[in-house]
Amino acid sequence: NAGVTQTPKFRVLKTGQSMTLLCAQDMNHEYMYWYRQDPGMGLRLIHYSVGEGTTAKGEVPDGYNVSRLKKQNFLLGLESAAPSQTSVYFCASSPMGYENIQYFGAGTRLSVL
Amino acid sequence: DQQVKQNSPSLSVQEGRISILNCDYTNSMFDYFLWYKKYPAEGPTFLISISSIKDKNEDGRFTVFLNKSAKHLSLHIVPSQPGDSAVYFCAASMDFGNEKLTFGTGTRLTIIP
Repeated sequence: NAGVTQTPKFRVLKTGQSMTLLCAQDMNHEYMYWYRQDPGMGLRLIHYSVGEGTTAKGEVPDGYNVSRLKKQNFLLGLESAAPSQTSVYFCASSPMGYENIQYFGAGTRLSVL
Repeated sequence: DQQVKQNSPSLSVQEGRISILNCDYTNSMFDYFLWYKKYPAEGPTFLISISSIKDKNEDGRFTVFLNKSAKHLSLHIVPSQPGDSAVYFCAASMDFGNEKLTFGTGTRLTIIP
């Protein structure tokens, strides 16, 4: 009964380093999302995918890339991390349908020094 | 431009009383609304939703009211319990079935025993 699993849970990077955040869902959902949560800003959509092999930009895509090579996985990459990317990152998935109820992972706390 | 606004960052309510969380939106194209609940170090979890064809939806202790003319929705929790202490996000989407959600900034609810 895993749902949405994010790896890693915590990470500290130095400015300029790269990393990949992994999101895996076992609910056979079509849609997957990456959000960032910052104090006073709510959840902001970075990128999303409406199916295997597809990706699209959200509200704050700059500095991030994504890939969805398999339906169950959605990867978020930071090629050259900046302090402004210090945040809590959440992955979510949802089934295709009338009600867009998204199911979230527990989050990844990222600090960029 | 914040299209979904939660103007109260925090709210404290005594156990057993009613908690009322408010949310305003500016985009008249939004037609489906959701509330999410978030505990510390966990991802948001879906709580209740309402479509624009209704003005009220109830689920146990939770009721969501929608006033389309005022572009306002509210979440009522009655009676409030200590386990309700969390951050609550409202979210909205356009075109019932659209895959993207726009989130508010959240309200931290504290239930006082």
